[in-house]
Amino acid sequence: AQTVTQSQPEMSVQEAETVTLSCTYDTSESDYYLFWYKQPPSRQMILVIRQEAYKQQNATENRFSVNFQKAAKSFSLKISDSQLGDAAMYFCAFRAGGTSYGKLTFGQGTILTVHP
Amino acid sequence: DSGVTQTPKHLITATGQRVTLRCSPRSGDLSVYWYQQSLDQGLQFLIQYYNGEERAKGNILERFSAQQFPDLHSELNLSSLELGDSALYFCASSVAPLAKGKQYFGPGTRLTVT
Repeated sequence: AQTVTQSQPEMSVQEAETVTLSCTYDTSESDYYLFWYKQPPSRQMILVIRQEAYKQQNATENRFSVNFQKAAKSFSLKISDSQLGDAAMYFCAFRAGGTSYGKLTFGQGTILTVHP
Repeated sequence: DSGVTQTPKHLITATGQRVTLRCSPRSGDLSVYWYQQSLDQGLQFLIQYYNGEERAKGNILERFSAQQFPDLHSELNLSSLELGDSALYFCASSVAPLAKGKQYFGPGTRLTVT
């Protein structure tokens, strides 16, 4: 079974600054995918970024980028030029490849506060 | 808007009752997933269907059941409800069960059991 751990229950950042959210995971799978989801106060789950484990290059999506360290089983999210709209709960999620049928295993979440 | 719809948005019911949550996946998506988000358990996978067939089960209680219909919409049935079943229930869809693509989440149904 896979586990996902987010060790930071809460983080805060000043507007326009950079913040990094941490995530570690444990798996015996060699083929898998990692995700960061954002959940704003509306409770909608929004996919922020995705990383395929077989790709060495870190994924980026505009102001969002990841630091994927496969050997260390670490997958952190960096948010640059933070905006007030980035305030939300962020979840790290794992999905095994192969015949796992796609279920997501989530971490406990990190609440991000953005100060103006 | 993800394209996944869930009804109702809110549901308040009493202990011991039975409710049905409904989900319509994005157009073209064959796979549907149900997740439960509660304060004490976090976000947990419940069950997955692909093109009408059950494909994977997670931490789903025996009091809960689901199905996917020929038009691909899915229903999650919760019976003999307990206070601890109060949670936000999400449906997500993807093109196929092994797709490398995204899972698109619906807005959720908030269930309150009193």
